[in-house]
Amino acid sequence: GQNIDQPTEMTATEGAIVQINCTYQTSGFNGLFWYQQHAGEAPTFLSYNVLDGLEEKGRFSSFLSRSKGYSYLLLKELQMKDSASYLCAVRDPAGAGSYQLTFGKGTKLSVIP
Amino acid sequence: DAGVIQSPRHEVTEMGQEVTLRCKPISGHDYLFWYRQTMMRGLELLIYFNNNVPIDDSGMPEDRFSAKMPNASFSTLKIQPSEPRDSAVYFCASSPQASYGYTFGSGTRLTVV
Repeated sequence: GQNIDQPTEMTATEGAIVQINCTYQTSGFNGLFWYQQHAGEAPTFLSYNVLDGLEEKGRFSSFLSRSKGYSYLLLKELQMKDSASYLCAVRDPAGAGSYQLTFGKGTKLSVIP
Repeated sequence: DAGVIQSPRHEVTEMGQEVTLRCKPISGHDYLFWYRQTMMRGLELLIYFNNNVPIDDSGMPEDRFSAKMPNASFSTLKIQPSEPRDSAVYFCASSPQASYGYTFGSGTRLTVV
């Protein structure tokens, strides 16, 4: 089975830094993904980690610790447009050809002035 | 590229009616996924295809749901008969074989009354 946990909601101030945590328990592991989803829109890909450590991409960074089953998404210099849901997803190679992602329920981030 | 194209964007139907959702994946993408998103359960995988062949349909809720992919550029998800609990946003996503990210379509918001 698979279990992916994220906080339901977070609030942060424009210009600040926010860290969104994700913990997972899966029978296997072949990568962790972060997606951004604005209200009423489709999820869009943000980042991918398969090895331990930090991946930086502009204002966004993602960290992975496979031994702890833990990841976080770090957003710096927050902007109002960053208000969205952030979805953590894990690829679990359950079998040959398995390619699907299992998503957490998402963290709704509200950025306030 | 136009991205993943879904139709219709919105569908309102009466309980008991047949509903057909359509998806055109990105050309060259070998994998196609159907997800359902609700507030309570988040994004759930329904079924996915590789090279037009269904690989895993364990997420399909019940026999009322069926999906086909007659060729590389088209897939349908059918619900017959529809029920109010089927109300959700249905997303189609595609991915190239060697890639690690999905591209989602804009989704179909289904309301069954």
